[in-house]
Amino acid sequence: EAGVVQSPRYKIIEKKQPVAFWCNPISGHNTLYWYRQNLGQGPELLIRYENEEAVDDSQLPKDRFSAERLKGVDSTLKIQPAELGDSAVYLCASSYQRSGRATYEQYFGPGTRLTVT
Amino acid sequence: RKEVEQDPGPFNVPEGATVAFNCTYSNSASQSFFWYRQDCRKEPKLLMSVYSSGNEDGRFTAQLNRASQYISLLIRDSKLSDSATYLCVVNAGGTSYGKLTFGQGTILTVHP
Repeated sequence: EAGVVQSPRYKIIEKKQPVAFWCNPISGHNTLYWYRQNLGQGPELLIRYENEEAVDDSQLPKDRFSAERLKGVDSTLKIQPAELGDSAVYLCASSYQRSGRATYEQYFGPGTRLTVT
Repeated sequence: RKEVEQDPGPFNVPEGATVAFNCTYSNSASQSFFWYRQDCRKEPKLLMSVYSSGNEDGRFTAQLNRASQYISLLIRDSKLSDSATYLCVVNAGGTSYGKLTFGQGTILTVHP
């Protein structure tokens, strides 16, 4: 079974430039997550989708970050414009979630390592 | 106070040693608990869920103390391949049933 796919794996951009990350979840998983992981820290949730609906985006910096999950499958996370502090690993994860039930295992993609110079 | 707190370590132990990690969480309504493992420059992967009665998987034992709001992971007979970062993870439940909150991770290095 194919895992969560992310691209690109690495990205180096100058500050104020835009950047986009793409994620393809495991087939059949209805819930998709974007996390940001800074060095020496655990992943922090940015946004969670159930199918096409963003059910938790409280941690997403909406002035510069945006995300979409068209058709409830693939998702794109965008930053515009990027700042130096955005340098981090951006992880996508997916799971099969029953509404109202506690989450069990989330499967992570390999992440995109972003460096803003 | 952070929602999930761990001792970041690092823990440096010889092969064959027993090592224990602790984690505390602040939300008493939390419903489910996990340990994830993250190898260097890799993604996190589920190591084991943590149940109220405690559970064991080979050399790994997880314990949950709801009254004190802490979770532990015990690794016996450490192997070189156990070297990784161990992330304590808590699911809040309620309206946040799908949200996992990660601790900062505890770094373990097992040396020959």
